[in-house]
Amino acid sequence: QVQLQESGPGLVKPSETLSLTCTVSGDSLNNYFWSWIRQPAGKGLEWIGRIYTSGSTNYNPSLKSRVTMSVDTSKIQFSLKLSSVTAADTAVYYCARDQGSGHGAFDIWGQGTMVTVSS
Amino acid sequence: DIQMTQSPSSVSASVGDRVTITCRASQRMSSWLLAWYQQKPGKAPKVLIYGASILQSGVPSRFSGSGSGTDFTLTISSLQPEDFATYFCQQADSFPPTFGGGTKVEIK
Repeated sequence: QVQLQESGPGLVKPSETLSLTCTVSGDSLNNYFWSWIRQPAGKGLEWIGRIYTSGSTNYNPSLKSRVTMSVDTSKIQFSLKLSSVTAADTAVYYCARDQGSGHGAFDIWGQGTMVTVSS
Repeated sequence: DIQMTQSPSSVSASVGDRVTITCRASQRMSSWLLAWYQQKPGKAPKVLIYGASILQSGVPSRFSGSGSGTDFTLTISSLQPEDFATYFCQQADSFPPTFGGGTKVEIK
């Protein structure tokens, strides 16, 4: 079955760039959107953005100026970069398969990776 | 953005109880683009229902969803021990996708 796994540093300094990668196993990236979603401790879920296999992207307007996503179909990975981070960016970050062109639900999720922004 | 407001924010219930969670959208939306998730502590959310009422494969039939327009409901017909968790609704009708604040189902 399809599985997603996030990877990247668990600690990022303020003002620096958070970089995460999601590796997909059990399928290719083709014909789906792939999203990043985050959740601060004890709080709700915030959609960060999505990328399609072609490389086209949609970003949450609230984060758009700081977000860059990319895809590497040969490695079956997609990535997130969030620049100029502050403590408010501390959260669990999830990657998820996004049925954006269909019913819009996120039907497969990675286990999540905790990122702390601190000096 | 469409704001999704869930109620209640928490509910205490016993095994076997019927539990109903409501999600209200700030504007009318397509029911095809409304989903419900279950999240247990330390785990990723898991989709239960999409299209407001379509059960994701493998999800027990005690879960059901309904609604249209701005008001949507998730019902657990007979609460089981493994159902104690937090539940979120999510809309994909308007950009960006947004989630409700969550409803925590706790043991009474």
